[in-house]
Amino acid sequence: DIQMTQSPSTLSASVGDIVTITCRASQSISDWLAWYQQKPGAAPKLLIYKASILDRGVPSRFSGRGSGTEFALTIYRLQPDDFATYYCQHFNSYSGGPFGQGTKVDIK
Amino acid sequence: EVQLLQSGAEVKKPGESLKISCKVSGYGFANYWIAWMRQMPGKGLEWMAIIYPGDSDTRYSPSFQGQVTISADKSINTAYLQWSSLKASDTAIYYCAREKDGTKAFDMWGQGTMVTVSS
Repeated sequence: DIQMTQSPSTLSASVGDIVTITCRASQSISDWLAWYQQKPGAAPKLLIYKASILDRGVPSRFSGRGSGTEFALTIYRLQPDDFATYYCQHFNSYSGGPFGQGTKVDIK
Repeated sequence: EVQLLQSGAEVKKPGESLKISCKVSGYGFANYWIAWMRQMPGKGLEWMAIIYPGDSDTRYSPSFQGQVTISADKSINTAYLQWSSLKASDTAIYYCAREKDGTKAFDMWGQGTMVTVSS
């Protein structure tokens, strides 16, 4: 089974910072990697799919990169609305859809 | 407008059965994969199972195989997740979500169904 490992688990930052979250797959997944944002009490929201494509309406300060086993989500000029928990996920209908453990971005 | 509307919160006792639902509107239900995810209190997301309503093709996470059953009724645009015998450890929020066509990502989510299992 493919495992997804995210780091860090918690990240403290200030408004205006640049923050980067990493996600590693236990084997190559090409660019089949999605990033989600989840706020307390709400369903997750898709930010990025295929490693680097922003979903409709997602601000351009979010950026994804990577392929194979190493991926990253970068948030440029962190905004108050961005304090949330972020998850990476690889989904394949044959092998499943594991998520990373999540990264909570909180206010420093 | 695409919507996934889930059934309401449930409180059950261990050993009871349960079926929760996810009613879809605003797109061709039969043509998109629908998945269920679990989020235990204070924890991360877990992928449980997925179904293609067009032909009822289903896949399960090994962690949930045999523990739950996913199904869909095309006539009423509704997907389901059911348990035959709940455990306290099934206490969680359950989300349904639609795969964004061909992207292997889930772009539309239900609001979540809180299931509490307690004696």
